[in-house]
Amino acid sequence: GDSVTQMEGPVTLSEEAFLTINCTYTATGYPSLFWYVQYPGEGLQLLLKATKADDKGSNKGFEATYRKETTSFHLEKGSVQVSDSAVYFCALRDSGAGSYQLTFGKGTKLSVIP
Amino acid sequence: GAVVSQHPSRVICKSGTSVKIECRSLDFQATTMFWYRQFPKQSLMLMATSNEGSKATYEQGVEKDKFLINHASLTLSTLTVTSAHPEDSSFYICSATSSPQETQYFGPGTRLLVL
Repeated sequence: GDSVTQMEGPVTLSEEAFLTINCTYTATGYPSLFWYVQYPGEGLQLLLKATKADDKGSNKGFEATYRKETTSFHLEKGSVQVSDSAVYFCALRDSGAGSYQLTFGKGTKLSVIP
Repeated sequence: GAVVSQHPSRVICKSGTSVKIECRSLDFQATTMFWYRQFPKQSLMLMATSNEGSKATYEQGVEKDKFLINHASLTLSTLTVTSAHPEDSSFYICSATSSPQETQYFGPGTRLLVL
């Protein structure tokens, strides 16, 4: 079945540091890939997405490129801020499997310190 | 963006009682709603998918008689945990979408503690 593996957290960075959160996936069809962010006390919010190979999703300074050859969708940001502290979830939606369900990774908690 | 609310945000109940959790889409019509369960340091696990006006589709291993889902309107879905037991304690999250292939908007979650 489909699965998403993302790096274990927590990740602690200083402000303005470079961020990478690794995400790899397995899927039977042709998935769309997503990054969701959950700020403390809030629901999950869509951060960015990519629907086909080589697509790059970007939002709020975050980027992720859909790499079919390595089945990866790593999240990056060049300079993190304290306000980026949150839990980040990588997810896929495999419409080729006949459903539109999201499969999530376990989440990576990011803490950015001043 | 679209807003989804959940109520209550936190509930504590005694073993054997039933608990109802509401999920509302505040500014759009949600033809499809999803219910997830999240254990500490674990990913969200899909429990069921509900479409307005029809019976929910449960994932394998989820007891439909224990987790009753009703999606009676385009803005409201409810999850009732019947005869709750301590092992049902968890974080329950709903999401809503105007169509299955569109973006899912998530609620803030409900933390259930069964004593």
